[in-house]
Amino acid sequence: GAGVSQSPSNKVTEKGKDVELRCDPISGHTALYWYRQSLGQGLEFLIYFQGNSAPDKSGLPSDRFSAERTGGSVSTLTIQRTQQEDSAVYLCASSLGVSGGAETQYFGPGTRLLVL
Amino acid sequence: AQKITQTQPGMFVQEKEAVTLDCTYDTSDPSYGLFWYKQPSSGEMIFLIYQGSYDQQNATEGRYSLNFQKARKSANLVISASQLGDSAMYFCAMREGRNTDKLIFGTGTRLQVFP
Repeated sequence: GAGVSQSPSNKVTEKGKDVELRCDPISGHTALYWYRQSLGQGLEFLIYFQGNSAPDKSGLPSDRFSAERTGGSVSTLTIQRTQQEDSAVYLCASSLGVSGGAETQYFGPGTRLLVL
Repeated sequence: AQKITQTQPGMFVQEKEAVTLDCTYDTSDPSYGLFWYKQPSSGEMIFLIYQGSYDQQNATEGRYSLNFQKARKSANLVISASQLGDSAMYFCAMREGRNTDKLIFGTGTRLQVFP
């Protein structure tokens, strides 16, 4: 079966522009996560969806960042007025969504964002 | 304070030897889960192994085993019979508590396997 997919795989944008990053989770997975990985660093949690709701948005670094999920499937992460410090790899993961268990999160290949 | 600490930025191991990658964690919640992921140069994150805080035995998955020492708050990954394809970044992560599913990651250890 298909894994988590993300698009685009690479995005180069100019400072101040808006970008949209897309994530298609594994079919049947109700939980979806966004993480950010800056160069040479570990992953930093951004936001978590259960279905279409986002019970944990605590990792979003500023109000320029937003995310939505529709139909309990595809999610879009939007960064408005991009800044150079937004340059990173944005990783999406999904899991079955059974809370409290040994939930394994399966990751997509990531979107490499470069803000010039 | 760091929730997940990986003190080895880089490790070298010869092919067919075993290697231990260190991970210590910090939490006051009695319910938590510990994960190890592998990230090859291609960038994808590959799940390796999971250990729950209430699990009585150390987790094992093929050549991977987790040396879980609860009192010391350590969850070291042991890779036996290293292969050249094991060369990658390895991340330790924790799910803290029962009311969240987000993972907190360490900064990773780069493992290089040489012939």
